[in-house]
Amino acid sequence: GAVVSQHPSRVICKSGTSVKIECRSLDFQATTMFWYRQFPKQSLMLMATSNEGSKATYEQGVEKDKFLINHASLTLSTLTVTSAHPEDSSFYICSARWGPLNSPLHFGNGTRLTVT
Amino acid sequence: QKEVEQNSGPLSVPEGAIASLNCTYSDRGSQSFFWYRQYSGKSPELIMFIYSNGDKEDGRFTAQLNKASQYVSLLIRDSQPSDSATYLCAVNPGGNNRLAFGKGNQVVVIP
Repeated sequence: GAVVSQHPSRVICKSGTSVKIECRSLDFQATTMFWYRQFPKQSLMLMATSNEGSKATYEQGVEKDKFLINHASLTLSTLTVTSAHPEDSSFYICSARWGPLNSPLHFGNGTRLTVT
Repeated sequence: QKEVEQNSGPLSVPEGAIASLNCTYSDRGSQSFFWYRQYSGKSPELIMFIYSNGDKEDGRFTAQLNKASQYVSLLIRDSQPSDSATYLCAVNPGGNNRLAFGKGNQVVVIP
């Protein structure tokens, strides 16, 4: 079945530094990947839609200059949290769709980011 | 109005009983409906999807969709302690590319 691999699973960084999270689709090509963020005891909130070979589409309220998304190949999307602050501490999860538009999203294992 | 609403609080069910979860959505153009299970500290995993009105069964899980009333439900039969998790309802508003998620319902199965 479809598998989405995300790395790292956990990262602790100091305030002001940048963190890169990788999301790979294994055994399938994903022209579109989705980045979600989840704060404790809350639901998943879509941050942005990553499009291979073009600019990402950001949801309202998400700073595109702070959350840099690069989707340079059909199997890899990266999210870079720039100048991280403690309020950016969250669970970041990428996902991709293996199949047509109405098919389910498959999620990576998530990245727990803690900014100290 | 939220795109996807799951309003009931934590649900405690005895082992072997039926757990029933409900979800409503606002966009009548929604075409695909999903239930995900999320264990604490983990990412969501797909357990059911449904596209047409009616019931769809997969093992101990049954999804029910009523597009006229804009709700989708999930039944878990013969609940097991391993079913204790948060269940997320997801919908693709307007049939477009993204999924919108409800806030989830926590289920606790008591042995």
